[in-house]
Amino acid sequence: DTGVSQDPRHKITKRGQNVTFRCDPISEHNRLYWYRQTLGQGPEFLTYFQNEAQLEKSRLLSDRFSAERPKGSFSTLEIQRTEQGDSAMYLCASSAPGTGSTEAFFGQGTRLTVV
Amino acid sequence: KNQVEQSPQSLIILEGKNCTLQCNYTVSPFSNLRWYKQDTGRGPVSLTIMTFSENTKSNGRYTATLDADTKQSSLHITASQLSDSASYICVVSASSNTGKLIFGQGTTLQVKP
Repeated sequence: DTGVSQDPRHKITKRGQNVTFRCDPISEHNRLYWYRQTLGQGPEFLTYFQNEAQLEKSRLLSDRFSAERPKGSFSTLEIQRTEQGDSAMYLCASSAPGTGSTEAFFGQGTRLTVV
Repeated sequence: KNQVEQSPQSLIILEGKNCTLQCNYTVSPFSNLRWYKQDTGRGPVSLTIMTFSENTKSNGRYTATLDADTKQSSLHITASQLSDSASYICVVSASSNTGKLIFGQGTTLQVKP
């Protein structure tokens, strides 16, 4: 257990429905990242928060995706009008203040299946 | 385009044997290189982090090397165990500010008894 928790671990939804995932980072970590991983591939960067500010978003994050970190603690990732191509593992990671060389700790991920 | 390429894609070895996984990257600017181990259905777990000035770093039976000139890294696993069966992912950080990580596609290692 890395200390980063994600909920739910698994989610099956029908195409067109909205889903929301939650990530609780390690408490003193001010940096939070979301990644998406499809089968057989490495994770791909989606977005990055420093405290409550969303500082970077990937082009992978279409208009149907939105992420928030309202109080600089937990974060949510919402996908609206889900499509089958959204099926993937969604990983959250956090790291402590400092340089970019600080270690990033990953949660166990939320596996989304869109049917 | 920032890329991280790994080889081989998959590898099968016998328990007790050694193996070496390779990573080439074209990420710029370079901040650091990491190796992660990812068990099936779980999140990645960090094995090593190396900055520009570090050539080698060990973590138990895992030894990572970095050649920043040729932009190559390797992960050597000694005396493999069944529990080493996992995906090993090479990861490069392109920014010293955000810590954003760029992942390779991973090498799937299977250790057989």
